[in-house]
Amino acid sequence: EAGVAQSPRYKIIEKRQSVAFWCNPISGHATLYWYQQILGQGPKLLIQFQNNGVVDDSQLPKDRFSAERLKGVDSTLKIQPAKLEDSAVYLCASSLGGAFLTYSSYNEQFFGPGTRLTVL
Amino acid sequence: SQQGEEDPQALSIQEGENATMNCSYKTSINNLQWYRQNSGRGLVHLILIRSNEREKHSGRLRVTLDTSKKSSSLLITASRAADTASYFCATDGSGGYQKVTFGTGTKLQVIP
Repeated sequence: EAGVAQSPRYKIIEKRQSVAFWCNPISGHATLYWYQQILGQGPKLLIQFQNNGVVDDSQLPKDRFSAERLKGVDSTLKIQPAKLEDSAVYLCASSLGGAFLTYSSYNEQFFGPGTRLTVL
Repeated sequence: SQQGEEDPQALSIQEGENATMNCSYKTSINNLQWYRQNSGRGLVHLILIRSNEREKHSGRLRVTLDTSKKSSSLLITASRAADTASYFCATDGSGGYQKVTFGTGTKLQVIP
């Protein structure tokens, strides 16, 4: 079974530029997550989709970050304009279950390799 | 804010020894998960324990959960150099919406 795919793997941009990341989850997974992981910290949830609807985006800086999951499959996360503090690894994950299910086997998240963003 | 806080922040042991790391959290949960992250394989799910379970095993991993103390521990027995990684606990809040929050992580180094 193919895993979660992300691209690009690395991106270097100057502050105030724009950048976009792409994620293709595991086929059949209802829930898709975008995380930001700053060096030395745990992943921080930015946005969670169930199918193509947003379940949680409370920690997404909406003045500069946007995300969409068209047709409930792959997703794009955009930053416009980027700031120095956006330098981080952006992780995409997917899980089989929906956000409101408590069945434990559905809650396991499968992560992609991440995109390392450096803002200069 | 982070729901889970791992302890210790860093741990260095010799190959063959056991490694224990702890996770404390603040609010009621449905499930607690442990993940491993290393440069080679990224973030990988290790084990999930439900709030009504007290202990779970998977290979060389043993996880305990004490909901009265809001804490969990991950024990890795007979450690190997390949276990060198950061370990994170992830908790979801009880109730309808299963938002998962990751802790700060324990960095484990296993010396050959």
